[in-house]
Amino acid sequence: EAGVTQFPSHSVIEKGQTVTLRCDPISGHDNLYWYRRVMGKEIKFLLHFVKESKQDESGMPNNRFLAERTGGTYSTLKVQPAELEDSGVYFCASSPGDRWRETQYFGPGTRLLVL
Amino acid sequence: QKEVEQDPGPLSVPEGAIVSLNCTYSNSAFQYFMWYRQYSRKGPELLMYTYSSGNKEDGRFTAQVDKSSKYISLFIRDSQPSDSATYLCAMSLNSGGYQKVTFGTGTKLQVIP
Repeated sequence: EAGVTQFPSHSVIEKGQTVTLRCDPISGHDNLYWYRRVMGKEIKFLLHFVKESKQDESGMPNNRFLAERTGGTYSTLKVQPAELEDSGVYFCASSPGDRWRETQYFGPGTRLLVL
Repeated sequence: QKEVEQDPGPLSVPEGAIVSLNCTYSNSAFQYFMWYRQYSRKGPELLMYTYSSGNKEDGRFTAQVDKSSKYISLFIRDSQPSDSATYLCAMSLNSGGYQKVTFGTGTKLQVIP
């Protein structure tokens, strides 16, 4: 069974540009989470989808970040316009159903550098 | 103050040593305690989890939780070079029926052959 995949693995863009990150969860997983790790800091929660609905977006830093999950399958996270402080590693995770203690499976992350 | 505090290390030990990794937390609402292992250029992978105070053992790994002191630990016995990775403590609470996870900064461990 394929794990969580993320694309691209790396992205280098200039301040003011737009970047779109993609996450493909494990097939059949209803829950999809986005996290971010800024250098030297802890991994922080951004938002949580249940199928195609946003369950919790309390961690989204500002309105330059837009996440979507059309059809309840893959998800995209768009940053527009990107700022220097958006640099970091963006992780996606998925979990199967609705038990709150179930394991979240992480992807390898997308490393974003904004110059 | 951060909700979860973890010494970032790095921690370097000889092969065969016992490793102790620790985290403290401030939010008494946390109910579920986890340790993730992250190899370089990979995503975090759940290593162990526990719900209650006490010890939980899995092979060479023991997770310990002390809710009264808000302190969790991971012990690795007979450490191996393959254990070299970053270890992240994580805690979660039930948020509307779903898991909301808070991570520590991670401790980078190197086991020297």
